[in-house]
Amino acid sequence: AIRMTQSPSSLSASTGDRVTITCRASQGISSYLAWYQQKPGKAPKLLIYAASTLQSGVPSRFSGSGSGTDFTLTISCLQSEDFATYYCQQYYSYPRTFGPGTKVDIK
Amino acid sequence: QITLKESGPTLVKPTQTLTLTCTFSGFSLSTSGVGVGWIRQPPGKALEWLALIYWDDDKRYSPSLKSRLTITKDTSKNQVVLTMTNMDPVDTATYYCAQQTTVVTPFGYWGQGTLVTVSS
Repeated sequence: AIRMTQSPSSLSASTGDRVTITCRASQGISSYLAWYQQKPGKAPKLLIYAASTLQSGVPSRFSGSGSGTDFTLTISCLQSEDFATYYCQQYYSYPRTFGPGTKVDIK
Repeated sequence: QITLKESGPTLVKPTQTLTLTCTFSGFSLSTSGVGVGWIRQPPGKALEWLALIYWDDDKRYSPSLKSRLTITKDTSKNQVVLTMTNMDPVDTATYYCAQQTTVVTPFGYWGQGTLVTVSS
């Protein structure tokens, strides 16, 4: 199975900050990488797929980049509603593994 | 509008078999490329991919749980069923079902999840 890692595991930031989260795959996954946002008690929400394609309805302050093994999720100007946990997931091969998550909380 | 909803027991005893049903609307599981999968999340922990079934009845399982899982579909009822045998307290988690539109897309639509507690 492909192992996904994320860094940092958590971060504290303020509204208006630029935030970057890194995801790494244990082997190449081309661009078959998705990012999800999850708020407490809620189901994950798809933000980005194909490493850099914004899901419909997702604000443009979210962006993704990378290919192969290294990927990043950037929130350009953090808003109050962005405080949540973010997961990456590879869908290059089975099982479709998730990263351990990055919790973004208020500084 | 695509919706999915999980249903099943909230409490199961150790060694019992868990049966969860995902009832969906807004799409058909007979449409080429469509898949419905199951993901779980223990309290306070990360997401874990469990299983996936496609429109053509192709089934994929997590290798670590494959011996305990069975996924089936009933296209006429718009349902996908997951069974997990020999439940253990470590299987306590929120179980989600989710839909992917094609074979090469991630889960774009998720159910609300259902918390299953394993305890005697």
